[in-house]
Amino acid sequence: NAGVTQTPKFQVLKTGQSMTLQCAQDMNHNSMYWYRQDPGMGLRLIYYSASEGTTDKGEVPNGYNVSRLNKREFSLRLESAAPSQTSVYFCASSGGGLLNEQFFGPGTRLTVL
Amino acid sequence: AQTVTQSQPEMSVQEAETVTLSCTYDTSESDYYLFWYKQPPSRQMILVIRQEAYKQQNATENRFSVNFQKAAKSFSLKISDSQLGDAAMYFCAYLRKAAGNKLTFGGGTRVLVKP
Repeated sequence: NAGVTQTPKFQVLKTGQSMTLQCAQDMNHNSMYWYRQDPGMGLRLIYYSASEGTTDKGEVPNGYNVSRLNKREFSLRLESAAPSQTSVYFCASSGGGLLNEQFFGPGTRLTVL
Repeated sequence: AQTVTQSQPEMSVQEAETVTLSCTYDTSESDYYLFWYKQPPSRQMILVIRQEAYKQQNATENRFSVNFQKAAKSFSLKISDSQLGDAAMYFCAYLRKAAGNKLTFGGGTRVLVKP
């Protein structure tokens, strides 16, 4: 039981390049989330998917797109990377219910030069 | 929009002593969850403790306990008998019980444990 997995763990991009961060969960959760964490700050929500087939913007969606490929997978795409997108990106999933706990992946450290 | 504020950027505690981390939040909702997450140098986000707003009793998990003051919108975390492994960033987070169940995080408090 792997929980939430993210690939890659590290990535360096040049300004203007594109890339997709992958996230998968094996807990049969309905909801999935993408956060970014800038140095010395808490996590901020980029996009989320409350259920398969739906996606919604979070607090900081500009410059990103997402795809909920199926119930397991939720990808985050940077179409034209900018230095301001240098951050650590976390994916999370939640089964909702009474506990409402979100389970987090290990994070991807992205640097945009 | 909800906001979560952690006013202590860093706290230091002697091993085996007790430390209390502060958190305040702003909301107009009456039904919500509050969480404390631990983030060690590995970056992994680890749930420490949760509190449901409708429950008056303060949550406790082993050496971790909270003081939930709903009227004051305050949610502090007490770490008792501090251990070296408790050294980490601690984040307070608010979850609104609505579509999407989105988390709003505070800025974090770094806890240093002195041997």
